[in-house]
Amino acid sequence: EAQVTQNPRYLITVTGKKLTVTCSQNMNHEYMSWYRQDPGLGLRQIYYSMNVEVTDKGDVPEGYKVSRKEKRNFPLILESPSPNQTSLYFCASSQDSGGLGRTGEQYFGPGTRLTVT
Amino acid sequence: EDQVTQSPEALRLQEGESSSLNCSYTVSGLRGLFWYRQDPGKGPEFLFTLYSAGEEKEKERLKATLTKKESFLHITAPKPEDSATYLCAALLLFGNEKLTFGTGTRLTIIP
Repeated sequence: EAQVTQNPRYLITVTGKKLTVTCSQNMNHEYMSWYRQDPGLGLRQIYYSMNVEVTDKGDVPEGYKVSRKEKRNFPLILESPSPNQTSLYFCASSQDSGGLGRTGEQYFGPGTRLTVT
Repeated sequence: EDQVTQSPEALRLQEGESSSLNCSYTVSGLRGLFWYRQDPGKGPEFLFTLYSAGEEKEKERLKATLTKKESFLHITAPKPEDSATYLCAALLLFGNEKLTFGTGTRLTIIP
């Protein structure tokens, strides 16, 4: 079954304690993204990756790191989490970013609800 | 600044009452306009991609259209299972591959 998996699904942590949220896809997609979703602010892109070893900033990259060492995995790293990073996080993948006749259809993971106290 | 704005924020319709959701964008150039549906507690689910003004796409009771400044998602004779939040997103023509989402329209269909 084609899917994007994220772990953990729920996480409560304390300020400053480094954490990693994993994301994996089994569709051989090239494009992967991380988003955060907050009430009233909608879905905002944190980082995206066009392919292995190719990453770039989205709209809200501050306080986050990513890496893309393998095509299927795209972990999100919070080196020193703060309470303003409490949010619902989604990972997504697609064959490409879209445009030029390509759909850019993104498959989203189930989400990770992070609380930083 | 590139922006994507959706209206209304929330919409309640009776079952069978058709309506439209709006997504307006002010971007330097548009490569693609996307529509997604999101159910509570789940990740968004892809609906449509539109590329150029005048283009239309249909799927069951949904039809998406695109002009040079906005996109509409028309819902014809909706059913309760169409209740969800509908999101639109824009991919810029120039620059990077960043995707900008609107804040969504929360649609409720009352039986």
